[in-house]
Amino acid sequence: RKEVEQDPGPFNVPEGATVAFNCTYSNSASQSFFWYRQDCRKEPKLLMSVYSSGNEDGRFTAQLNRASQYISLLIRDSKLSDSATYLCAVTPGGSYIPTFGRGTSLIVHP
Amino acid sequence: GAVVSQHPSWVICKSGTSVKIECRSLDFQATTMFWYRQFPKQSLMLMATSNEGSKATYEQGVEKDKFLINHASLTLSTLTVTSAHPEDSSFYICSAESGGSNTGELFFGEGSRLTVL
Repeated sequence: RKEVEQDPGPFNVPEGATVAFNCTYSNSASQSFFWYRQDCRKEPKLLMSVYSSGNEDGRFTAQLNRASQYISLLIRDSKLSDSATYLCAVTPGGSYIPTFGRGTSLIVHP
Repeated sequence: GAVVSQHPSWVICKSGTSVKIECRSLDFQATTMFWYRQFPKQSLMLMATSNEGSKATYEQGVEKDKFLINHASLTLSTLTVTSAHPEDSSFYICSAESGGSNTGELFFGEGSRLTVL
């Protein structure tokens, strides 16, 4: 089983839709969790950290489920500009170097 | 946020040549930088951890003699792909943490897309 797994998609949604992605991780001792956004042929950029209590930033909500070992990203009122690949990153216990999932591709269409 | 700059953005070279990629932290000092490689539609794969003033730590399966890493100052790390071959064509991205927070939150350079003919 891979350390960090994501459904590669693509998720094809209309503008205004709500879409959610999950990311599962295998190391139960994982400490830190992040969502990054990567545009085509560009570097990843941090979207948000994921805290145990969950966190929200505008239209984006991230949650952590330690019992089931996954994190989620919810995007409300999708915009065309949200089209990108969303990478999750997990820092395993004992290390501060994150392992990345392969990303989930989101396409928001008019 | 912290800024990491990478150069060059694109490089095309002939098979057998060496290519150097620079990674700079512009507004903070980075004792540790990370080099990743990403093939199309694949995840970022950590190649090595670059430590200022000491040898880099390479991940399993990454040839240290082929991918030379030098971290001579707190703001600059370089990756040299020696005797590049077509299979080395990839997107190479460096990253660093700001302030040595050790939280796993990384800032990435713009990436360098290497094409070996």
